[in-house]
Amino acid sequence: ILNVEQSPQSLHVQEGDSTNFTCSFPSSNFYALHWYRWETAKSPEALFVMTLNGDEKKKGRISATLNTKEGYSYLYIKGSQPEDSATYLCAFPTSGTYKYIFGTGTRLKVLA
Amino acid sequence: GAGVSQSPRYKVAKRGQDVALRCDPISGHVSLFWYQQALGQGPEFLTYFQNEAQLDKSGLPSDRFFAERPEGSVSTLKIQRTQQEDSAVYLCASSPTIRQVQETQYFGPGTRLLVL
Repeated sequence: ILNVEQSPQSLHVQEGDSTNFTCSFPSSNFYALHWYRWETAKSPEALFVMTLNGDEKKKGRISATLNTKEGYSYLYIKGSQPEDSATYLCAFPTSGTYKYIFGTGTRLKVLA
Repeated sequence: GAGVSQSPRYKVAKRGQDVALRCDPISGHVSLFWYQQALGQGPEFLTYFQNEAQLDKSGLPSDRFFAERPEGSVSTLKIQRTQQEDSAVYLCASSPTIRQVQETQYFGPGTRLLVL
């Protein structure tokens, strides 16, 4: 059974703090890893698609890295702001099916 | 442009009632996915459409769940004889082309179903 795990489940940080969280996925049959941000009462929105080992992608204060050999991706937020408060999800497309496997998410609360 | 929309946003059903959840994907998008997110869990894949063809329904939890996309645009997820364990957020997502692993999915806001 393929498993995608995210840690921590939730965290609270102060405004201005930097933070990071982890997505672990099967290292075999890797094709891509997706990161999404889901704010309360809104639609999940795409942050990054990571495909190559060693990939590093950046969007403003948010960046992500990928290690396909050991099966993990880190998401970093520099100088957290209250508007960064959301659930961050990673998703792993499977081979041979149309299924994506999502982690349970990391719920981030940034305190002003 | 318009994103993915879902209706209703909230639905309360009595146990045993049938419900229908609608998804309007982004116009022209070929792929459409349905997910179920139970409390405290990540979204779980239910089914996948490529245009009007349902190519994968391996995630549908029982034969009470049925999905269709008859004209390759709007999709409906129907749950018959709802049970309390069906309470969840149902998410719909679409993407522009046939399912490609590096292609982003565009999500709707979800329908929150509560079965009493």
